[in-house]
Amino acid sequence: GAVVSQHPSWVICKSGTSVKIECRSLDFQATTMFWYRQFPKQSLMLMATSNEGSKATYEQGVEKDKFLINHASLTLSTLTVTSAHPEDSSFYICSAHSGTSGTTDTQYFGPGTRLTVL
Amino acid sequence: LAKTTQPISMDSYEGQEVNITCSHNNIATNDYITWYQQFPSQGPRFIIQGYKTKVTNEVASLFIPADRKSSTLSLPRVSLSDTAVYYCLVGAPMGNEKLTFGTGTRLTIIP
Repeated sequence: GAVVSQHPSWVICKSGTSVKIECRSLDFQATTMFWYRQFPKQSLMLMATSNEGSKATYEQGVEKDKFLINHASLTLSTLTVTSAHPEDSSFYICSAHSGTSGTTDTQYFGPGTRLTVL
Repeated sequence: LAKTTQPISMDSYEGQEVNITCSHNNIATNDYITWYQQFPSQGPRFIIQGYKTKVTNEVASLFIPADRKSSTLSLPRVSLSDTAVYYCLVGAPMGNEKLTFGTGTRLTIIP
């Protein structure tokens, strides 16, 4: 199946700093990627839809100025958590749609990035 | 997106067949049913997708009745490594639609 990678797999930062997380589709092009956040023992919550070459679409309650999303190419989307605080500590997961003919038309998820803000 | 309802948790012994049922009473005509598996600290992994009747692949089967208001994921002869959270989602077949995850079913396999 289609492969999606994330980097880094985990990161620890000090409060007030910014952290960038990368999401790459390794063997397919993705015009649309999604960013999710997951707190312990909870389900995935969609944060935003990342569109190549245009602005991201944020879900209600997600601060666009805090969670900056850039989708500069068909294989890369980045999420930057600006001025991170301890409450931003979470598991961040991206997904991408692989619409290649002959494959299942669904989304494939990255392995996730564990962010811990001290 | 149609809302789904699943059992919060299930336990099963190794070697047994496990069936997890998902209710989606408001499923739309164009919606497909997709199941994902998630291990701790990992991203969800696609298991199976279907529209109606029965779909089978190398890891699971998906049974969908004629009214499509529910679906059942069947895992044959489970092992300890099948312990995970299983999510049922319904939505348009185009993978570029945003997905809404429900609570999922936490499946625990007992040795």
